[in-house]
Amino acid sequence: AQKVTQAQTEISVVEKEDVTLDCVYETRDTTYYLFWYKQPPSGELVFLIRRNSFDEQNEISGRYSWNFQKSTSSFNFTITASQVVDSAVYFCALSVRYSLGLNFGKGTSLLVTP
Amino acid sequence: GAVVSQHPSWVICKSGTSVKIECRSLDFQATTMFWYRQFPKQSLMLMATSNEGSKATYEQGVEKDKFLINHASLTLSTLTVTSAHPEDSSFYICSARDRSTEATGTQYFGPGTRLLVL
Repeated sequence: AQKVTQAQTEISVVEKEDVTLDCVYETRDTTYYLFWYKQPPSGELVFLIRRNSFDEQNEISGRYSWNFQKSTSSFNFTITASQVVDSAVYFCALSVRYSLGLNFGKGTSLLVTP
Repeated sequence: GAVVSQHPSWVICKSGTSVKIECRSLDFQATTMFWYRQFPKQSLMLMATSNEGSKATYEQGVEKDKFLINHASLTLSTLTVTSAHPEDSSFYICSARDRSTEATGTQYFGPGTRLLVL
């Protein structure tokens, strides 16, 4: 069975602070895919990043960066210099085969205040 | 690119009626579509996997006779909630995998349909 844990339920930061969202996953499969999605108040999910289990290279994209550590089964997401528009619920998700649906974590609600 | 639409975005119906929700991939072909349900302030739960031209695969605990899924073409999947009851009220979200980039595993999500059963 697969499981995704997002221990942080809610995070509140002041604009321009950096914030890291934690994600820990469990799977017995050696090949798997990890994702981060953002869900603003409108409800529509926005794809942020995908990582394959065989690619541990971390990535930076603008203000976003991701830290994938197989040794600790973690796939953390950092927003640098947060902005009010970053306020949303962020979901980490896992798929063990590309043809299967996603197992989502419970989400972390991020509130960025001016 | 990679846009997924859902219709309707909102639906209110009386208990006992059936409701059909459409999910379309607008600019790509999707051999596989997925249906999720999200209750308020909760995570998304996979309900079923819809494959074009074949029967849907339902997750454990999801009643296939209550949630009818049809994937008749590479751009359209429908979810019909039959004999809806108040406990079926939820946010239903579909996603689609681009046929041309299936190996990446990325799913593109629709905007969701809010169902309220009175």
